[in-house]
Amino acid sequence: GAVVSQHPSRVICKSGTSVKIECRSLDFQATTMFWYRQFPKQSLMLMATSNEGSKATYEQGVEKDKFLINHASLTLSTLTVTSAHPEDSSFYICSAGPGQDYGYTFGSGTRLTVV
Amino acid sequence: AQSVTQLGSHVSVSEGALVLLRCNYSSSVPPYLFWYVQYPNQGLQLLLKYTSAATLVKGINGFEAEFKKSETSFHLTKPSAHMSDAAEYFCAVSERAGGGNKLTFGTGTQLKVEL
Repeated sequence: GAVVSQHPSRVICKSGTSVKIECRSLDFQATTMFWYRQFPKQSLMLMATSNEGSKATYEQGVEKDKFLINHASLTLSTLTVTSAHPEDSSFYICSAGPGQDYGYTFGSGTRLTVV
Repeated sequence: AQSVTQLGSHVSVSEGALVLLRCNYSSSVPPYLFWYVQYPNQGLQLLLKYTSAATLVKGINGFEAEFKKSETSFHLTKPSAHMSDAAEYFCAVSERAGGGNKLTFGTGTQLKVEL
């Protein structure tokens, strides 16, 4: 149990376009989803906390107008990178929960490359 | 505020040797502690977690960790390394075990296993 699907796994987009990343909890309802960003060979940095049916809470320094988060249902949260630029290239990972053991499960990540 | 320090960004061991990955934490409240493993271009998989029950925690793949409050440590060990253990390992701390917990990650330790 507690499977989280993140899609797409890899995406390449042109500078100035927008990209949507989906995070789905497949076998449980996730009231909370977290979105992280990971730079090469670095740790995970929390970008925002998303609660179903309410606005996301962004961490300090994260542009909410650039990184749009929607958590419209208990099984789906989306992160949209708007007007992407090369510096937005990164690995984005979601986690969803709480599951049966009150823990959180991570998605497999999305490698975004902006050219 | 909470933080995690992982000593040693790279650790190299021989196959069959003891694995020891160090993690020290700082937390203003009794912490919940986690170890995650990440393989290249993938999300994070939970190895084990400490949630104020037994101080010696056993996880998957033969890993275990011991919570030592006096040393503010939660080091990860495995008696005998296997080639498949080569990956990035992250220690994380949370103020709660679940229910909207925010994880603060360490900077990670890359484990290399040599023949």
